[in-house]
This record gives sequence, C-alpha cells and structure tokens, in this order.
Amino acid sequence: DTAVSQTPKYLVTQMGNDKSIKCEQNLGHDTMYWYKQDSKKFLKIMFSYNNKELIINETVPNRFSPKSPDKAHLNLHINSLELGDSAVYFCASSPDRVYEQYFGPGTRLTVT
Amino acid sequence: GENVEQHPSTLSVQEGDSAVIKCTYSDSASNYFPWYKQELGKGPQLIIDIRSNVGEKKDQRIAVTLNKTAKHFSLHITETQPEDSAVYFCAAHNTNAGKSTFGDGTTLTVKP
Repeated sequence: DTAVSQTPKYLVTQMGNDKSIKCEQNLGHDTMYWYKQDSKKFLKIMFSYNNKELIINETVPNRFSPKSPDKAHLNLHINSLELGDSAVYFCASSPDRVYEQYFGPGTRLTVT
Repeated sequence: GENVEQHPSTLSVQEGDSAVIKCTYSDSASNYFPWYKQELGKGPQLIIDIRSNVGEKKDQRIAVTLNKTAKHFSLHITETQPEDSAVYFCAAHNTNAGKSTFGDGTTLTVKP
C-alpha cells in the first residue's frame, strides 16, 4: 500500500489554465505539506496543514490554494498557470508537526 | 527565518570510499535535523535524523553528527556503493513552528 500518493504523476497544460493536484496519505498522520522542487532541485515548503488547519503559508502567490477536506487529504489548486509554475510538486505527511516527513512520489507540472 | 547551507553541491567518490556532506543553519530554534535521500524520479526519503540533545547517531554505514554551538551538522557515508548515488538533502526543523528548511541538495555519484 502506498503511504503517500499523488495524482496525477504528470500534468502538462497551457498558460492561463486552472489545474488541481490531489494528495492522500493512509498513515493516519495529522500534518500534511506541499513542497515545490524547481529545476535546480531546490525544495521549498509552500503550505502545511495540521488536522485540517492551515499552519504554514509561505510566500506563495494567491493563485495557489490548498484545501484539506479531511486529515488524510490535501489538495492543491492552481489558478491562471504561468510558465514559472513548472516544477515538481511534492506532498508530504508527518505524524505531528515535530519530526520526520514522508514524501509522495511527486507531480511533474509542465506549463507551456 | 531559517537559512540552511549545504556543501558540496556535487560529490563524486569511488566505490568503497567515504562521503561527507556538511550543512550549517542559522536559527538556534531549530532542534531536529533530518537527512533525506532522493533517487531519480522519486520523492525524498528519510535516511537518518538527529535531535538537538544528541551529538552523534549511527545506522550501519550512515552516521550524522551535530554541533549545536557551531550550528552545523554532517552526514557521513562509509563504504559507499553505487546504489548510494542520489541527491541528498539536509534539513533544519523547528518543532514549534512545525517547519523544515532544506539545504540545496548534494548530488552524490559513486563510481564502480
């Protein structure tokens, strides 16, 4: 069983479109994260939710909106996609806010 | 905010040699230091971690050291094998804020 899963794995879309990435974890964890990894492999936190409550919101454009319908799911919706949004987006979960994180396989977003 | 510097950015070693990756952090509030390994096309995976009340931790061929006074920590891999080839990330985690700041990654290549 996959611990942290993301769909889709690949997403190719045009500038200006709106798209969503879904994340689910079956580990029973309380905390979930979204990270962006750019072409240089730099890994930057975007958002964190703890028990469905937003606790971290880094300097991310308003076009990005996370949604946590329940503890096991954290989705990422992106409006008006731009070329600079092209990256790999990773979801992660943690038993609490304190220690290790478990990453999903990533979603490679390409905006043309 | 926290700033994590990681060196070197690339490291090439011969199979059987040791590899050392070093990180420094700036925020004394960081108190948990995980290391992640990212293989091509996959999400980062925790390989070892250390908490701020410990100076050293070892797990088979992998060890991590932490110097809180100097604010630096290191990953040591002994008897390297080709399957150790990957990108390695250090992170400094503030357990109160629930946030990890990642280093920029080290691409390790182990030549057979």
